[in-house]
Amino acid sequence: DTAVSQTPKYLVTQMGNDKSIKCEQNLGHDTMYWYKQDSKKFLKIMFSYNNKELIINETVPNRFSPKSPDKAHLNLHINSLELGDSAVYFCASSLAGRGGYTFGSGTRLTVV
Amino acid sequence: GNSVTQMEGPVTLSEEAFLTINCTYTATGYPSLFWYVQYPGEGLQLLLKATKADDKGSNKGFEATYRKETTSFHLEKGSVQVSDSAVYFCALTPPGNQFYFGTGTSLTVIP
Repeated sequence: DTAVSQTPKYLVTQMGNDKSIKCEQNLGHDTMYWYKQDSKKFLKIMFSYNNKELIINETVPNRFSPKSPDKAHLNLHINSLELGDSAVYFCASSLAGRGGYTFGSGTRLTVV
Repeated sequence: GNSVTQMEGPVTLSEEAFLTINCTYTATGYPSLFWYVQYPGEGLQLLLKATKADDKGSNKGFEATYRKETTSFHLEKGSVQVSDSAVYFCALTPPGNQFYFGTGTSLTVIP
């Protein structure tokens, strides 16, 4: 009964490949997010969806494309992976207008 | 604009020492303030929060008070344990909007 679940937990892939990370929440939240955490633990928001609509789209390469089939799911697809994409990617969810994110446990992406 | 500034780490303390991690913020309106904790290999977990001035959030022996006059939300614990070793993030959210996280402060507690 994990609240926010991400898959896979670890992903090792070669440069140039395309990969997807999936996220699902069962909290009834209406807003979901993708964050990138670098090796220095700095968190950078990438995208946010509210009720399947994109509301935050920070400056990230257009190789990153989020998809939200319904408000319980937010997937992240990455094309043409580069070495600099190596990081931990966190999914999170919240109820808009109410404080408190719930985070997933992260996906550690390593591009070799 | 909205931003959070945390004291830089890493911080290393002996067990039972007193902990303070400073956090100051700038914000439009009246934000809610949060501390999140990230244990090694895990995601971020909400540690405590405060939603208005002079509120004190507390959990697991940690405390932080929302100080509007100094725009601060410093995290304190009277006696740290080895199990408190983690990265701590201060964050704010203006009403209805996204979170703004600080850069995180790594804490290591040694026996």
